[in-house]
Order: sequence, then C-alpha cells, then structure tokens
Amino acid sequence: QQQVKQSPQSLIVQKGGISIINCAYENTAFDYFPWYQQFPGKGPALLIAIRPDVSEKKEGRFTISFNKSAKQFSLHIMDSQPGDSATYFCAAILSGGYQKVTFGTGTKLQVIP
Amino acid sequence: NAGVTQTPKFQVLKTGQSMTLQCAQDMNHNSMYWYRQDPGMGLRLIYYSASEGTTDKGEVPNGYNVSRLNKREFSLRLESAAPSQTSVYFCASSHHRGPNTGELFFGEGSRLTVL
Repeated sequence: QQQVKQSPQSLIVQKGGISIINCAYENTAFDYFPWYQQFPGKGPALLIAIRPDVSEKKEGRFTISFNKSAKQFSLHIMDSQPGDSATYFCAAILSGGYQKVTFGTGTKLQVIP
Repeated sequence: NAGVTQTPKFQVLKTGQSMTLQCAQDMNHNSMYWYRQDPGMGLRLIYYSASEGTTDKGEVPNGYNVSRLNKREFSLRLESAAPSQTSVYFCASSHHRGPNTGELFFGEGSRLTVL
C-alpha cells in the first residue's frame, strides 16, 4: 500500500518559475518529513526536511510547507534553474528504534531555459 | 571520503542465475538498507539492518537475501534471478539516532538487468 502519495509524476517549469511538488500521507504517526533530490545516474541525497510541529521551513530557494491537519506537505522551488532538473522524492519517517522511511513515487522535474 | 560504495555498477544476468550486490560504508553508521527503484514506484525497501548482527525484511523481500557481514558491509543476494528483479538497486546507511534523524546516505546504485 502506498502510504505517501506524490504528485505530479513529472513537471516542466520555465527558468525563473516556481516548481511545486505535493505529497500526502496517511499514517499520523510519521514524525519527520524529508525531501530527497536525485540526479541521473546518482543516488538520492537529502535536500531539506521538516518536523510536523513546524508549518514551513526554508533553505535558500527551497521551501517545505506542511499542513498537519490535512496530512499534506509540499516542496516549493523558487526561481527554478536548469540545474534543479532532477527527480524529487518526498518521504515520511517513523522514528524511534529504527528509522523506517517511506518514499513517495517521485517527481521528475525539468527546468527549461 | 567515499561514503557508500556499491559494486558492481552494472550487471546483466540470465533468468535463474545468482549474484551478490556488495555495499560498504565508511561513516560508522549503525543502520544499512537495500532499496530498489523502478519507474513510477519510487524507492521500495527490500531489507534493512538496524545494527550489526541484525537484519529484517522490508516492503519487497521476496527473492532476496541479505548478510550484514560487519558494521561496514551489507550485501544483497539474488539466489535465482527473475526478469521482475530488473531494477536499479541502492544501498543506503544512516545514523541509528542523533541530530541527523532522517538522513539516508545512498550509494550510486547498481543497475541490474535480468534476461
């Protein structure tokens, strides 16, 4: 079963525009929500993460918005650049004795000049 | 600083053949994981090892076995490969606990094709 639903599957944005990727989760026990960025031929790498007691976290051009009541969170990439072209995965984590990470299905972002 | 190293990077197998994917990390992490990545499916956990000496099944363990050889190394074995196991396999590691909760460190992947 898919516990973290991610959309859209693919996204094309013009340079300078805003890229928005959305995720929704089901399990209210998740307590950490990271986003991973993956370039072709490479493994995913942590981009930014948020805890559910925070509604927004910003790091440079990347912002996570978190809506606990709706069980949704999103990644916003401001001033999107061609170098941002990658696949983005949201994830949700149950912490504790073992960090079980549930990933979304991924969004392939293409930023065109 | 190598991080997580996977071998081989590419492999072609025939149905029924066996092979082992190797993974080593040099970050002194306790936990290690094997994921497979398929188009439209995201990353699915095959097996994990929360600490040296322990392993457990993830979401899609059928057809695979693992060995946590020591703290650094975690191998994934396909005993009798099937075309459905054609995928990109990623090994990852993480601190068991600590300020970096949630950060998985991934290798560059092993691309496996089963004919």
